[in-house]
Amino acid sequence: QSVLTQPPSVSGAPGQRVTISCTGSSSSIGTGYDVHWYQQLPGRAPKLLIYGTTNRPSGVPDRFSGSRSGTSASLAITGLQAEDEADYYCQSYDSSLSGVVFGGGTKLTVL
Amino acid sequence: EVQLVESGGVLVQPGRSLRLSCAASGFTFDDYAMHWVRQAPGKGLEWVSGISWNSGTIPYADSVKGRFTISRDNAKNSLYLQMNSLRAEDTALYFCAKEALAGNWAIDYWGQGTLVTVSS
Repeated sequence: QSVLTQPPSVSGAPGQRVTISCTGSSSSIGTGYDVHWYQQLPGRAPKLLIYGTTNRPSGVPDRFSGSRSGTSASLAITGLQAEDEADYYCQSYDSSLSGVVFGGGTKLTVL
Repeated sequence: EVQLVESGGVLVQPGRSLRLSCAASGFTFDDYAMHWVRQAPGKGLEWVSGISWNSGTIPYADSVKGRFTISRDNAKNSLYLQMNSLRAEDTALYFCAKEALAGNWAIDYWGQGTLVTVSS
């Protein structure tokens, strides 16, 4: 069981907006540690999508955005495209574990 | 261009040891912390360990603490993972990963992974 909790799956039609939640605790996201998001296409290494909770690396479309509220964080994807179909992971730090933690991952299906 | 190339993954019996290596290029290796992250077949990402630029900070996941040792050789631009007392649950694709910014734990570059299979 992962320290950060994500829904196993989400889906949406092309053009729609979807959000993926990432729920932590007072020793992780609630403490203010940065949250990062990764996209993993089948058979590929993960790709950094959002860092520092809200920042996009160069080359990542502005359709992807991140936010935080309390002990949770969210990844929003607008204007859904077929190429967005992938697994998405959140990541943060947990002070009670003294280490990096990942969410269990969310599979996004574009209908 | 940043490149991370892992090696050393093989089929190994439970209880045995294995050493993974990661050759880094395309960036100033000793400026960045590095990590090992693993992914069991069909499962999610699991952080294994990290090491600061000067090897001064070395955290481990509880699942590997006392069995795995991370190290780096800045002169050789290389990262290592010594894995002892291997268990079936250590079976996974092991990724070498570069930290993006000091202390924020984000990973901006990943290798393609090396597969470790622990089975008798």
